[in-house]
Amino acid sequence: DAGVIQSPRHEVTEMGQEVTLRCKPISGHDYLFWYRQTMMRGLELLIYFNNNVPIDDSGMPEDRFSAKMPNASFSTLKIQPSEPRDSAVYFCASSLMGQGIDSNQPQHFGDGTRLSIL
Amino acid sequence: DQQVKQNSPSLSVQEGRISILNCDYTNSMFDYFLWYKKYPAEGPTFLISISSIKDKNEDGRFTVFLNKSAKHLSLHIVPSQPGDSAVYFCAASARGAQKLVFGQGTRLTINP
Repeated sequence: DAGVIQSPRHEVTEMGQEVTLRCKPISGHDYLFWYRQTMMRGLELLIYFNNNVPIDDSGMPEDRFSAKMPNASFSTLKIQPSEPRDSAVYFCASSLMGQGIDSNQPQHFGDGTRLSIL
Repeated sequence: DQQVKQNSPSLSVQEGRISILNCDYTNSMFDYFLWYKKYPAEGPTFLISISSIKDKNEDGRFTVFLNKSAKHLSLHIVPSQPGDSAVYFCAASARGAQKLVFGQGTRLTINP
């Protein structure tokens, strides 16, 4: 079974450029999450979607960050303009909606995009 | 305000022995807990979970223990194998909530 697929795996760009990260969740999953991992802050949730609708974007650091999910099989995280402090590994994850006592379900992660802003 | 804490940044264990990784949490609303394993250049991989209605969950060599009164959980790996060398993250969420809060991770090294 295909897992969560992220592209690109690595991105190096200059400050001020627009960066677009892409994610294909596991087919049939209802939730999609974007995380950022840095040495200082660890793994932090940026935003998540349920059935393509953004539910909580309180982790998005600034207006320079935006995320979309135009359909159930694709999401983007965009940074415009990018800054050196945005350098991090960005992970996408997806999960199923649970029912009843199993309302919590584990999230499954992609292998991340390592972003370097020079 | 770290709601999930893994106080040991690293742990070294002999192959074949037991590895015990610890995690503490502060938010009493958390009632679903997970452990993830992460290799370099890969995403975190789900390992095992436990809900607050249980105090133990076992899956092969991996067992998670939950002590709700102490707000503490631990992951036991028995016996430890070289392939278990990785960074282990503890995570927590409230029932029905989808947001996971992660600890800082513990780097486990299994020595032959």
